[in-house]
Amino acid sequence: DIQMTQSPSSLSASVGDRVTITCRASQSISSYLNWYQQKPGKAPNLLIYAASSLQSGVPSRFSGSGSGTDFTLTISSLQPEDFATYYCQQTYSAPWTFGQGTKVDIK
Amino acid sequence: EVQLVESGGGLVQPGGSLRLSCAASGFTFSSYTMNWVRQAPGKGLEWVSYISSSSSTIYYADSVKGRFTISRDNAKNSLYLQMNSLRAEDTAVYYCARVISDWALDYWGQGTLVTVSS
Repeated sequence: DIQMTQSPSSLSASVGDRVTITCRASQSISSYLNWYQQKPGKAPNLLIYAASSLQSGVPSRFSGSGSGTDFTLTISSLQPEDFATYYCQQTYSAPWTFGQGTKVDIK
Repeated sequence: EVQLVESGGGLVQPGGSLRLSCAASGFTFSSYTMNWVRQAPGKGLEWVSYISSSSSTIYYADSVKGRFTISRDNAKNSLYLQMNSLRAEDTAVYYCARVISDWALDYWGQGTLVTVSS
């Protein structure tokens, strides 16, 4: 099975900050990497698919990059509504696996 | 509007069974691959199972293989998860989710809570 490792596990940031979350796969997954945002008590929301494609309706401050084993989610200017937990997921091969999550909270 | 509504969760004893349902609307259900994903209380997301649009391809997480069965009824726009031999570690909110052509989960239901406890 492909293991997905996110870093950091949590971070504290201020409104307006640039935030970067990384996700590393245990083997190459090409660009089969997705990013989700989840707020407490809510279902996850797709932000980025295929490593760098912005899902419809998602603000342009979110961006994704990478291929192979190393991927990055960047929030260019953190907004109050962005405080949440973020997950990466590989869909290169079954079982499709998620990273452990990165919680972004207010500094 | 795309809607996915899960049902069937509840309290069940260890070793028991439960069948979850996911009612889909607002899109051509028979054209989409579907997934189940779960989340234990206070924990991260765990992918559970995959079923292709025609049910020809099915995958499971190792943690549920041999105990859970995914199925669908395209005529009823419904997805199912039959869960047998339930364990305490199966306690979680279970989400159904739609898979888009780029292999991402673009719509999720609100989730249904399964609690396995004596």
